Amino acid sequence: EADIYQTPRYLVIGTGKKITLECSQTMGHDKMYWYQQDPGMELHLIHYSYGVNSTEKGDLSSESTVSRIRTEHFPLTLESARPSHTSQYLCASSESTSGGAGELFFGEGSRLTVL
Amino acid sequence: AQSVTQLGSHVSVSEGALVLLRCNYSSSVPPYLFWYVQYPNQGLQLLLKYTTGATLVKGINGFEAEFKKSETSFHLTKPSAHMSDAAEYFCAVSPNAGKSTFGDGTTLTVKP
Repeated sequence: EADIYQTPRYLVIGTGKKITLECSQTMGHDKMYWYQQDPGMELHLIHYSYGVNSTEKGDLSSESTVSRIRTEHFPLTLESARPSHTSQYLCASSESTSGGAGELFFGEGSRLTVL
Repeated sequence: AQSVTQLGSHVSVSEGALVLLRCNYSSSVPPYLFWYVQYPNQGLQLLLKYTTGATLVKGINGFEAEFKKSETSFHLTKPSAHMSDAAEYFCAVSPNAGKSTFGDGTTLTVKP
């Protein structure tokens, strides 16, 4: 059973607000990821981290930022939300390469609506 | 670079019928291949994976997939569909367990 948690599950906010989506995992995984999932189901990698104090941008450009101060915690922040940020955000983690095949364990997602 | 193509964004089958979801990939190195399932308002859950060895892999809920290197395919099958199989299915490729690249997904509908 995967132990990765995202909060909030649903968030409706106004334009210009700052928001932080929380993601925590209790599996001790080094690698963590944020995906953006559009209504058409496609997943796009927006951020990833291979360990503490290591963050990289993903394949899809995003105005969000991330931090990785602790192994288990990988929050995503939008300084000023816009309607174009409306989407579902999925957090995932995986073991290091030597410890597994790279399969991803996903949280249940945070569905963000910006009015 | 790697990529994944899922043929058919929507597949509809009758309950009890064969399920076949198609996935083709490209990868510059030997790939690890995955199928994930997503139920409404949830994250993705691993169905099965191929790393090395036996090319026919079995997963949860009666699903299986066969890795065919010559065809660069990793199609997902289930002999008999159940109503509870209705969901979104994603194929993904990961080169040597690195970052995963996902297909666009296939919506499976199961008719009673």
